[in-house]
Amino acid sequence: AIQMTQSPSSLSASVGDRVTITCRASQGIRTDLCWYQQRPGKAPKLLIYAASSLHSGVPSRFSGSGSGTDFTLTISSLQPEDFATYYCLQGYNHPRTFGQGTKVEIK
Amino acid sequence: EVQLAESGGGLMQPGGSLRLSCEASGFTVNINYMSWVRQAPGKGLEWVSVIYSGGRTYYADSVKGRFTISRDNSKNTLYLQMNSLRAEDTAVYYCARDPDMDVWGQGTAVTVSS
Repeated sequence: AIQMTQSPSSLSASVGDRVTITCRASQGIRTDLCWYQQRPGKAPKLLIYAASSLHSGVPSRFSGSGSGTDFTLTISSLQPEDFATYYCLQGYNHPRTFGQGTKVEIK
Repeated sequence: EVQLAESGGGLMQPGGSLRLSCEASGFTVNINYMSWVRQAPGKGLEWVSVIYSGGRTYYADSVKGRFTISRDNSKNTLYLQMNSLRAEDTAVYYCARDPDMDVWGQGTAVTVSS
């Protein structure tokens, strides 16, 4: 199975900060990668698909980049509602695999 | 409105069986890929299974041979039949519309304990 390694596992940031989360695949996955946001007690929400395409309704401060094995989720200016846990997911093959998650906390 | 609603969770003893349901509205399950994802208490997300529009299915190694994904087109509902349940199957189970998991249900909790 493809291993997805996210870093950092957690981070503290302030409102207005630029935040970057990375996801590394153990083998090349083209651009078959999605990013999700999960708030406590809620279902995940799709942010980014195909590595860099913004899902409908998602604020433009979220962006994704990368291909092959290295991917990045960037929040350009962190807002109060962005404090949550973020996951990457590879869709290149089965079994599908998530990263372990990155918890974004308030500094 | 496009929605998914899971049901069927509960408290089960190890070795027992349970069937989860996921009713879709606003779209048709049989022309979409549909997945189940679970989240153990305090842990990350784990993909469980997918059913393709053509009927092909795939499973995580952790549930292969014990869980079966299926759908009823007439009820527009996705199912997850869970047999030989183990303590490590304790989780909130979500259904999601694939291939990008752009629509999720609210989840249903399964607890396996004696």
